[in-house]
Amino acid sequence: GNSVTQMEGPVTLSEEAFLTINCTYTATGYPSLFWYVQYPGEGLQLLLKATKADDKGSNKGFEATYRKETTSFHLEKGSVQVSDSAVYFCALSLTGSARQLTFGSGTQLTVLP
Amino acid sequence: DVKVTQSSRYLVKRTGEKVFLECVQDMDHENMFWYRQDPGLGLRLIYFSYDVKMKEKGDIPEGYSVSREKKERFSLILESASTNQTSMYLCASSLRAGYNSPLHFGNGTRLTVT
Repeated sequence: GNSVTQMEGPVTLSEEAFLTINCTYTATGYPSLFWYVQYPGEGLQLLLKATKADDKGSNKGFEATYRKETTSFHLEKGSVQVSDSAVYFCALSLTGSARQLTFGSGTQLTVLP
Repeated sequence: DVKVTQSSRYLVKRTGEKVFLECVQDMDHENMFWYRQDPGLGLRLIYFSYDVKMKEKGDIPEGYSVSREKKERFSLILESASTNQTSMYLCASSLRAGYNSPLHFGNGTRLTVT
């Protein structure tokens, strides 16, 4: 079956540090890949996506590159801010449809001033 | 901006009660979803609906039912609440199927069953 594995949290960083949250996937085909973010007290919102190999998704200073050879979609940001503190979810969809989204378990990020 | 509103932020119910969780979206979206979110398990799909009165089971439908009588409203029903249904419940909607139509989530309902 399809699955998404994220690095376990929580992750605690100082402001302006470099962030990497690892995400690897298992899928029977060629999925679309997503990162969603959940700020405290809110629902999830789409952060970025990539729909084919070597695509790079980017938004709000975050980036992730779809690597088919390593089945990975790691989330990176060069300089985190306190306002980036949130839970980050990696997800995949084989059909591109929201009906078949498979989510990872989420990674809690805390950024300290 | 799309707004997905869940009627309650927190709910406390007793074992055996019938529980209704309500969700309303204001952007005429076709698809609506109910997920539960548990630590270490991420989000798991309970049910989704692709049109009024249409529904499909997700990954964990047991113990739940849904109702979509109007396009903007999608209700999750716990017929007889049990303690293992204590969780955060998230409603979401999307305009269409497909990755160009992302999910929009409500803020969640934290349900405690005692």
